[in-house]
Amino acid sequence: QSALTQDASVSGSPGQSITISCTGASGDIDDNNFVSWYQLRPGKAPKLLIYDVSNRPSGVSYRFSASKSGNTASLTISALQAEDEADYYCSSYTNSRTVLFGGGTKVTVL
Amino acid sequence: QVQLVQSGTEVKTSGASVKVSCRASGSTFGDNYITWVRQAPGQGLEWMGWVSPNNADTKYAQKIQGRVTMTTQRYSNTAYMELRGLRSDDTAVYYCARGWTLNYFDIWGQGTLVTVSS
Repeated sequence: QSALTQDASVSGSPGQSITISCTGASGDIDDNNFVSWYQLRPGKAPKLLIYDVSNRPSGVSYRFSASKSGNTASLTISALQAEDEADYYCSSYTNSRTVLFGGGTKVTVL
Repeated sequence: QVQLVQSGTEVKTSGASVKVSCRASGSTFGDNYITWVRQAPGQGLEWMGWVSPNNADTKYAQKIQGRVTMTTQRYSNTAYMELRGLRSDDTAVYYCARGWTLNYFDIWGQGTLVTVSS
């Protein structure tokens, strides 16, 4: 299976909202509710932001929200802050018991 | 607080094998799954496979099937990922991560840099 497709980069000014999209193929995003999102900063381990499409783990800011429609999942960061500058990856568990990652989206805070 | 502590940096030559460890501190593996993910320089995250400490069940990415083995030792709460026949494109930071299910992974190790030189 191919990787999930993400925009390479998204930028926004502090205080704005941005949305990152993640498109899959048949058998992954559209077939279940097992989409998750991770934040990756240089030199740091990935951090789970969202699981099962739209659930936030304890301790993750309310400014991160997510949804899914058909074979496209979306992550929205509201009230953008400088600390949000990072790479963001979507992930989907598939019917084949494998895991797919997106190519990653670089978020720049202007 | 559960932490996953990985082994240190490795430098290998082409064709060699590497075995990276991932020890859980602050908790046992329990019924968690351990997945392994890598990130090559300038590239995105790549899922490699998962192992169940409960029953040793595994699933590997097709790309590395035949070259990788993932195991766990319940008595030491340690997971291992062995990759054989190393090539230059295996140069990456390798992460282990824990999940209660295979849907998502909430605790990640600090990463292990593996460099393969020819």
